[in-house]
Amino acid sequence: GESVGLHLPTLSVQEGDNSIINCAYSNSASDYFIWYKQESGKGPQFIIDIRSNMDKRQGQRVTVLLNKTVKHLSLQIAATQPGDSAVYFCAENINSGGGADGLTFGKGTHLIIQP
Amino acid sequence: EAEVAQSPRYKITEKSQAVAFWCDPISGHATLYWYRQILGQGPELLVQFQDESVVDDSQLPKDRFSAERLKGVDSTLKIQPAELGDSAMYLCASSLNGRRNGGYTFGSGTRLTVV
Repeated sequence: GESVGLHLPTLSVQEGDNSIINCAYSNSASDYFIWYKQESGKGPQFIIDIRSNMDKRQGQRVTVLLNKTVKHLSLQIAATQPGDSAVYFCAENINSGGGADGLTFGKGTHLIIQP
Repeated sequence: EAEVAQSPRYKITEKSQAVAFWCDPISGHATLYWYRQILGQGPELLVQFQDESVVDDSQLPKDRFSAERLKGVDSTLKIQPAELGDSAMYLCASSLNGRRNGGYTFGSGTRLTVV
């Protein structure tokens, strides 16, 4: 089965509000996590990443929180804008040491911005 | 900004026919990945190349799928024969240093429809 999953398939928020997108992972050996944004007809676009030796990382309008105790990852988007409408995926990676570093993705959350 | 180029953007093929997709990674990126994304799901890794060598093809259905990167630059993914269940988006990604700063860049994909 998948080692990364999301709690909600669709999240609807008002423009200007903050959005929180959640992700649960099951593989405790995962040590690197990335959030991607995917717009219709396009490939995933990097938003922010975090390593397992951190519990919080901030970018421009985005914050990722990692709780290793409960194997939970979240993406917070401040002051949500219409352009934030997309599907958001978390992805995980394990440092296998053998060079294989492909990502394992969850199913995604569709973020809808209400005017 | 450098991009991962993929062609064609869309492909419709009949089942049992052969189909091929092409990917040109960002110049200088030694690592190349092929992912399959079924509608409504996250991408799934099919194969990873380091230069011209396969690093991981554990999830590639080798009875019908093949991938090559003969000169360590561009790559081709082939399906023969195509089945209805192969309808999906096929994404190519490339990486210079993978697990640092989200160093995986995705192309816009090839949308395959098998009829």
